[in-house]
Amino acid sequence: ETGVTQTPRHLVMGMTNKKSLKCEQHLGHNAMYWYKQSAKKPLELMFVYNFKEQTENNSVPSRFSPECPNSSHLFLHLHTLQPEDSALYLCASSQDTGGGAGETQYFGPGTRLLVL
Amino acid sequence: AQSVAQPEDQVNVAEGNPLTVKCTYSVSGNPYLFWYVQYPNRGLQFLLKYITGDNLVKGSYGFEAEFNKSQTSFHLKKPSALVSDSALYFCAVFYNQGGKLIFGQGTELSVKP
Repeated sequence: ETGVTQTPRHLVMGMTNKKSLKCEQHLGHNAMYWYKQSAKKPLELMFVYNFKEQTENNSVPSRFSPECPNSSHLFLHLHTLQPEDSALYLCASSQDTGGGAGETQYFGPGTRLLVL
Repeated sequence: AQSVAQPEDQVNVAEGNPLTVKCTYSVSGNPYLFWYVQYPNRGLQFLLKYITGDNLVKGSYGFEAEFNKSQTSFHLKKPSALVSDSALYFCAVFYNQGGKLIFGQGTELSVKP
C-alpha cells in the first residue's frame, strides 16, 4: 500500500466544516481516481483524472470538489457535507485510463469519514 | 450496460478446503475482468486480471480465476484456503469509456480453522 498513500486515515467533521482529503501516488502513474465505499454498496466511482485533466464526474454533488495539481497528487475538498456522506473514500491510480488495455488500478488505504 | 454480479454475500470455508468466490458479468465487447481483495480497514489490493489469452489466470497469494465466456463468469478459486484469506473480495469489469472499473457488491469470505 505504500504505492498510494492517503491522509488523513480517519476524519470526523461537522456539517458546516470544510476539510480536504489528500492522495499521493508514488508509482509514476498518470491517472487518478476517487471512489466512495459505503456499507453494503458497491464501490462508487466519483471522479477520474488523466494527465491532470478531469475526465469523469459521476454526477457527484458539488459539496465534493476534486483538485489534481499534478499527476502525483489528488485532493478531495469537502464542505457542508451530510451525514449520508459518511463512508470510506478511496483513492486509486493507474498508468492511464486504459485505452482498451484494462489498466490495473492500485488503491490507497482510504480515509474513513464520519459526518456528524 | 456493463455490470458485474457477485451472487453470494458470504462464503464460509474450512481451512485447507478449496474455495470459490463467484462472479458473473455483462459487457459488450471483450471483457477485461479483475479481482481485488480488501482486508479490514484497508484499501483494495489487486489480485489478478484477465485481458486475453489463457482462460486460467494466476494471481497473488495462490489465487486463480477461470474466465468462461459461454457462462460469462470469472470465478475466483484457491485450492487450499487459509484463515488469513478471510476478507472481502470484489470482482470488477473494465468499462472502456473513461477507464472505469465497475465493481460487484463484494463477497465476504470467512475461513475457519
